[in-house]
Amino acid sequence: GIQVEQSPPDLILQEGANSTLRCNFSDSVNNLQWFHQNPWGQLINLFYIPSGTKQNGRLSATTVATERYSLLYISSSQTTDSGVYFCAVGQAGTALIFGKGTTLSVSS
Amino acid sequence: GAVVSQHPSWVICKSGTSVKIECRSLDFQATTMFWYRQFPKQSLMLMATSNEGSKATYEQGVEKDKFLINHASLTLSTLTVTSAHPEDSSFYICSARPVAGSYNEQFFGPGTRLTVL
Repeated sequence: GIQVEQSPPDLILQEGANSTLRCNFSDSVNNLQWFHQNPWGQLINLFYIPSGTKQNGRLSATTVATERYSLLYISSSQTTDSGVYFCAVGQAGTALIFGKGTTLSVSS
Repeated sequence: GAVVSQHPSWVICKSGTSVKIECRSLDFQATTMFWYRQFPKQSLMLMATSNEGSKATYEQGVEKDKFLINHASLTLSTLTVTSAHPEDSSFYICSARPVAGSYNEQFFGPGTRLTVL
């Protein structure tokens, strides 16, 4: 099956700093989604981005499907950005396979 | 749009009892729903794929007689944990893929935290 690797596993930032999270995957995919899991466990859907670039406020994401990686950029980080960020990939009609996540801690 | 709900949000039960968890797509129809399980400090692991009107497909290592899945309509899938034991304590999350629109994007419920005493 498809392997998903996220890096770094842990990231500690001061408020206001920028960060880049990476997701590598081992096969071609039709679906790639980034999530933020809040302290209550709910997965917040950040981006559906099987290819290309998208931006939403301070967050942006880029997926280079031909090279099998995706990047999530967080600019001007805030304490509320803390939590676990998951990358998940899938092929047409199948379930998502999740990476192990990046745990982000932003301190004021 | 594209909202998925789960009920209950959390449940505590005694060992040996059964627990039913509902997953509903509120504003779209979904022929396929997925059930995941997440243990503390770990990632989400797929348990089973639920298809409306047919039997669920279980991942290797998931006991189909223990985790009963019923997808009776285009908006509802249920997961029943039968004869629950403490090792079944976990966070259960469902997702749904809309019939219409983006074929591949999936939407997740808020999860159900199960504690078995």
